Amino acid sequence: LAKTTQPISMDSYEGQEVNITCSHNNIATNDYITWYQQFPSQGPRFIIQGYKTKVTNEVASLFIPADRKSSTLSLPRVSLSDTAVYYCLVGDSPGNTPLVFGKGTRLSVIA
Amino acid sequence: DAGVTQSPTHLIKTRGQQVTLRCSPKSGHDTVSWYQQALGQGPQFIFQYYEEEERQRGNFPDRFSGHQFPNYSSELNVNALLLGDSALYLCASSLTGQPTYEQYFGPGTRLTVT
Repeated sequence: LAKTTQPISMDSYEGQEVNITCSHNNIATNDYITWYQQFPSQGPRFIIQGYKTKVTNEVASLFIPADRKSSTLSLPRVSLSDTAVYYCLVGDSPGNTPLVFGKGTRLSVIA
Repeated sequence: DAGVTQSPTHLIKTRGQQVTLRCSPKSGHDTVSWYQQALGQGPQFIFQYYEEEERQRGNFPDRFSGHQFPNYSSELNVNALLLGDSALYLCASSLTGQPTYEQYFGPGTRLTVT
Protein backbone atom coordinates (compact mmCIF):
# COMPACT_ATOMS: atom_id res chain seq x y z
CA LEU A 1 0.00 0.00 0.00
CA ALA A 2 1.28 3.44 -0.91
CA LYS A 3 2.46 5.56 2.01
CA THR A 4 1.02 9.06 2.33
CA THR A 5 2.47 12.25 3.77
CA GLN A 6 0.33 15.21 4.75
CA PRO A 7 0.77 18.22 7.06
CA ILE A 8 0.13 17.53 10.73
CA SER A 9 -2.00 20.62 11.23
CA MET A 10 -3.41 23.69 9.51
CA ASP A 11 -5.26 26.79 10.67
CA SER A 12 -7.74 28.81 8.63
CA TYR A 13 -10.23 31.63 9.13
CA GLU A 14 -13.89 31.17 8.42
CA GLY A 15 -14.87 31.84 4.83
CA GLN A 16 -11.48 31.01 3.38
CA GLU A 17 -10.68 28.21 0.96
CA VAL A 18 -8.51 25.50 2.48
CA ASN A 19 -6.22 23.27 0.45
CA ILE A 20 -4.66 20.20 2.06
CA THR A 21 -1.99 18.48 0.01
CA CYS A 22 -1.10 14.82 0.31
CA SER A 23 2.04 13.26 -1.09
CA HIS A 24 1.96 9.64 -2.31
CA ASN A 25 5.05 9.06 -4.43
CA ASN A 26 4.66 5.28 -4.60
CA ILE A 27 1.05 5.19 -5.76
CA ALA A 28 0.25 2.12 -7.87
CA THR A 29 -1.65 2.02 -11.13
CA ASN A 30 -4.74 0.47 -9.52
CA ASP A 31 -4.78 2.80 -6.51
CA TYR A 32 -7.49 5.34 -5.83
CA ILE A 33 -7.07 8.43 -3.66
CA THR A 34 -9.66 8.83 -0.94
CA TRP A 35 -10.20 11.43 1.76
CA TYR A 36 -11.99 10.92 5.07
CA GLN A 37 -13.04 13.49 7.67
CA GLN A 38 -13.22 12.80 11.39
CA PHE A 39 -14.81 14.97 14.05
CA PRO A 40 -13.89 14.49 17.72
CA SER A 41 -15.45 11.37 19.27
CA GLN A 42 -16.92 10.25 15.96
CA GLY A 43 -15.95 7.73 13.32
CA PRO A 44 -14.34 8.88 10.06
CA ARG A 45 -16.65 9.95 7.25
CA PHE A 46 -15.96 9.49 3.54
CA ILE A 47 -15.59 12.82 1.76
CA ILE A 48 -14.37 12.22 -1.75
CA GLN A 49 -12.52 9.78 -3.96
CA GLY A 50 -10.69 10.15 -7.24
CA TYR A 51 -8.32 8.46 -9.66
CA LYS A 52 -7.04 11.29 -11.85
CA THR A 53 -7.70 14.94 -12.84
CA LYS A 54 -10.43 16.61 -10.80
CA VAL A 55 -13.42 15.39 -8.84
CA THR A 56 -16.00 17.65 -7.23
CA ASN A 57 -18.97 16.94 -4.98
CA GLU A 58 -21.15 18.99 -2.65
CA VAL A 59 -18.52 18.91 0.08
CA ALA A 60 -15.11 19.29 -1.57
CA SER A 61 -12.96 19.11 -4.66
CA LEU A 62 -10.05 16.78 -5.23
CA PHE A 63 -7.26 17.75 -7.61
CA ILE A 64 -4.91 15.06 -8.89
CA PRO A 65 -2.04 15.94 -11.25
CA ALA A 66 -1.13 13.77 -14.21
CA ASP A 67 1.70 11.93 -12.39
CA ARG A 68 -0.68 11.15 -9.46
CA LYS A 69 2.18 11.46 -6.96
CA SER A 70 0.24 13.98 -4.93
CA SER A 71 -3.32 15.20 -4.49
CA THR A 72 -5.01 18.26 -3.01
CA LEU A 73 -8.26 18.33 -1.10
CA SER A 74 -9.95 21.70 -1.46
CA LEU A 75 -12.62 22.86 0.98
CA PRO A 76 -14.42 26.01 -0.24
CA ARG A 77 -15.35 28.73 2.26
CA VAL A 78 -14.77 26.76 5.45
CA SER A 79 -16.86 27.27 8.57
CA LEU A 80 -16.22 26.44 12.22
CA SER A 81 -17.98 23.10 11.68
CA ASP A 82 -15.23 22.05 9.27
CA THR A 83 -12.79 21.78 12.19
CA ALA A 84 -11.76 18.12 12.05
CA VAL A 85 -8.97 15.72 11.16
CA TYR A 86 -8.66 14.98 7.44
CA TYR A 87 -7.10 11.73 6.28
CA CYS A 88 -5.66 10.99 2.85
CA LEU A 89 -5.74 7.30 1.91
CA VAL A 90 -4.35 5.56 -1.12
CA GLY A 91 -5.29 2.02 -2.05
CA ASP A 92 -7.08 -0.31 -4.36
CA SER A 93 -10.85 -0.62 -4.50
CA PRO A 94 -13.26 -2.32 -3.81
CA GLY A 95 -14.89 -0.99 -0.69
CA ASN A 96 -14.07 -4.01 1.45
CA THR A 97 -10.35 -3.31 1.30
CA PRO A 98 -8.91 -2.55 4.78
CA LEU A 99 -8.31 1.18 5.08
CA VAL A 100 -4.81 2.33 6.02
CA PHE A 101 -4.89 5.63 7.91
CA GLY A 102 -1.95 7.87 8.71
CA LYS A 103 -2.09 10.55 11.39
CA GLY A 104 -4.06 12.93 9.18
CA THR A 105 -4.17 16.72 9.09
CA ARG A 106 -5.83 18.51 11.97
CA LEU A 107 -7.67 21.52 10.53
CA SER A 108 -8.67 24.26 12.95
CA VAL A 109 -11.07 26.90 11.64
CA ILE A 110 -10.99 30.18 13.51
CA ALA A 111 -13.79 32.73 13.65
CA ASP B 1 -32.04 4.25 6.95
CA ALA B 2 -30.06 3.46 10.08
CA GLY B 3 -26.35 3.90 9.86
CA VAL B 4 -23.72 1.88 11.68
CA THR B 5 -24.46 1.53 15.37
CA GLN B 6 -22.14 0.45 18.16
CA SER B 7 -22.59 -0.44 21.81
CA PRO B 8 -21.72 0.42 24.44
CA THR B 9 -20.63 4.04 23.98
CA HIS B 10 -18.15 3.96 26.81
CA LEU B 11 -16.64 1.16 28.86
CA ILE B 12 -14.20 0.97 31.76
CA LYS B 13 -12.40 -2.30 32.48
CA THR B 14 -9.55 -3.48 34.65
CA ARG B 15 -6.34 -5.04 33.41
CA GLY B 16 -6.72 -8.77 32.78
CA GLN B 17 -10.46 -8.61 32.20
CA GLN B 18 -12.27 -9.45 28.99
CA VAL B 19 -14.54 -7.17 26.96
CA THR B 20 -17.10 -7.58 24.17
CA LEU B 21 -18.05 -4.74 21.84
CA ARG B 22 -20.98 -4.87 19.43
CA CYS B 23 -21.69 -3.45 15.99
CA SER B 24 -24.69 -3.38 13.67
CA PRO B 25 -23.82 -2.52 10.07
CA LYS B 26 -25.60 -0.09 7.82
CA SER B 27 -28.71 -1.59 6.27
CA GLY B 28 -27.81 -3.62 3.17
CA HIS B 29 -24.14 -4.02 4.05
CA ASP B 30 -22.64 -7.48 4.49
CA THR B 31 -19.05 -6.76 5.54
CA VAL B 32 -17.87 -5.49 8.90
CA SER B 33 -14.39 -4.22 9.73
CA TRP B 34 -13.02 -3.27 13.13
CA TYR B 35 -10.44 -0.57 13.80
CA GLN B 36 -8.58 0.59 16.90
CA GLN B 37 -7.82 4.29 17.27
CA ALA B 38 -5.40 5.40 19.97
CA LEU B 39 -5.44 9.03 21.06
CA GLY B 40 -3.90 11.30 18.44
CA GLN B 41 -3.47 8.49 15.91
CA GLY B 42 -5.37 7.34 12.86
CA PRO B 43 -7.51 4.21 13.03
CA GLN B 44 -5.63 0.91 12.73
CA PHE B 45 -7.24 -2.09 11.03
CA ILE B 46 -7.90 -5.07 13.34
CA PHE B 47 -9.87 -7.51 11.18
CA GLN B 48 -12.74 -7.88 8.76
CA TYR B 49 -15.69 -10.26 8.71
CA TYR B 50 -17.69 -11.44 5.72
CA GLU B 51 -20.10 -14.37 5.51
CA GLU B 52 -19.51 -15.03 9.22
CA GLU B 53 -15.79 -15.63 8.73
CA GLU B 54 -12.68 -13.57 9.35
CA ARG B 55 -11.53 -12.58 5.88
CA GLN B 56 -8.58 -10.32 6.61
CA ARG B 57 -6.61 -9.48 9.72
CA GLY B 58 -4.27 -6.69 10.68
CA ASN B 59 -1.25 -6.83 12.97
CA PHE B 60 -3.09 -7.55 16.22
CA PRO B 61 -2.49 -10.42 18.69
CA ASP B 62 -4.80 -13.39 19.15
CA ARG B 63 -6.27 -11.70 22.23
CA PHE B 64 -8.39 -9.85 19.71
CA SER B 65 -11.10 -12.03 18.23
CA GLY B 66 -14.43 -11.49 16.59
CA HIS B 67 -17.61 -12.93 15.32
CA GLN B 68 -20.18 -12.14 12.68
CA PHE B 69 -23.78 -13.27 12.97
CA PRO B 70 -26.20 -14.29 10.16
CA ASN B 71 -27.81 -10.82 10.32
CA TYR B 72 -24.33 -9.34 9.57
CA SER B 73 -23.92 -7.79 13.01
CA SER B 74 -20.56 -8.35 14.64
CA GLU B 75 -18.76 -8.56 17.97
CA LEU B 76 -15.19 -7.73 18.90
CA ASN B 77 -13.75 -9.58 21.90
CA VAL B 78 -10.56 -8.63 23.66
CA ASN B 79 -9.12 -10.97 26.32
CA ALA B 80 -6.54 -10.29 29.03
CA LEU B 81 -6.87 -6.54 28.67
CA LEU B 82 -3.74 -4.40 28.83
CA LEU B 83 -3.47 -0.71 29.62
CA GLY B 84 -2.40 -0.20 25.99
CA ASP B 85 -5.76 -1.49 24.78
CA SER B 86 -7.35 1.77 25.90
CA ALA B 87 -8.63 3.33 22.69
CA LEU B 88 -11.62 4.18 20.56
CA TYR B 89 -12.84 1.05 18.80
CA LEU B 90 -14.53 1.72 15.49
CA CYS B 91 -16.72 -0.51 13.42
CA ALA B 92 -17.09 0.09 9.69
CA SER B 93 -19.45 -1.57 7.26
CA SER B 94 -19.39 -1.98 3.52
CA LEU B 95 -20.88 -4.05 0.74
CA THR B 96 -18.54 -6.59 -0.79
CA GLY B 97 -18.12 -5.96 -4.48
CA GLN B 98 -18.94 -2.28 -4.20
CA PRO B 99 -16.53 -0.56 -6.58
CA THR B 100 -15.50 2.27 -4.28
CA TYR B 101 -13.17 2.72 -1.36
CA GLU B 102 -15.99 3.96 0.87
CA GLN B 103 -16.71 2.42 4.24
CA TYR B 104 -19.28 3.67 6.74
CA PHE B 105 -18.10 4.09 10.31
CA GLY B 106 -20.02 3.98 13.54
CA PRO B 107 -19.46 6.44 16.39
CA GLY B 108 -17.15 4.03 18.19
CA THR B 109 -16.81 2.56 21.67
CA ARG B 110 -14.41 4.32 24.02
CA LEU B 111 -12.63 1.64 26.07
CA THR B 112 -10.61 2.63 29.12
CA VAL B 113 -8.46 0.01 30.81
CA THR B 114 -7.30 0.84 34.35
